[in-house]
Amino acid sequence: SQQGEEDPQALSIQEGENATMNCSYKTSINNLQWYRQNSGRGLVHLILIRSNEREKHSGRLRVTLDTSKKSSSLLITASRAADTASYFCARRKTGNQFYFGTGTSLTVIP
Amino acid sequence: GAGVSQSPSNKVTEKGKDVELRCDPISGHTALYWYRQSLGQGLEFLIYFQGNSAPDKSGLPSDRFSAERTGGSVSTLTIQRTQQEDSAVYLCASSLRAGTWDTGELFFGEGSRLTVL
Repeated sequence: SQQGEEDPQALSIQEGENATMNCSYKTSINNLQWYRQNSGRGLVHLILIRSNEREKHSGRLRVTLDTSKKSSSLLITASRAADTASYFCARRKTGNQFYFGTGTSLTVIP
Repeated sequence: GAGVSQSPSNKVTEKGKDVELRCDPISGHTALYWYRQSLGQGLEFLIYFQGNSAPDKSGLPSDRFSAERTGGSVSTLTIQRTQQEDSAVYLCASSLRAGTWDTGELFFGEGSRLTVL
């Protein structure tokens, strides 16, 4: 499949807990991005990590990239009910195409 | 507006009819993408435009699907002789430019929800 694979497909946690989602891919990448999609809305860019980077932070978000394992993880710390959404990883291949995974549906229970 | 604009937001049509979906990207963005998202699924790449280059049509599922981008700005996705399996949300995204090390961040519209009866 051209798409990345996120896991888990669905995740339910209590507010204040950390949420971790993973993304695996099959081919080499230039960079990997994470996006968020609220129900019925478009996708919003969260964070980008380049292939020569191993870890990146943005607020409560932490992204890691392991190119040897072809995998990335997104950690959301101290989750809030407003973090409830679907999260997608997008891999940018040469030629400027972006391939999206099937997403992780996160539910944060207040 | 400042964001990517898509119209219509909702479209209900009968099987066999043609539909046109419109995308107005962010001004100055040279890259434009169309994706399809079926219920509860990920995004399926359809087509990509970059400036005046020939579009990458490799994701179009059949010859009933076509897209054009006039004047390097507005894009129209056309689906001819719609089928029920075409029902999905069609998302448009634009990007400032394509290059090896630029961010390549995609800015998405809210999508056009197509229902084929």
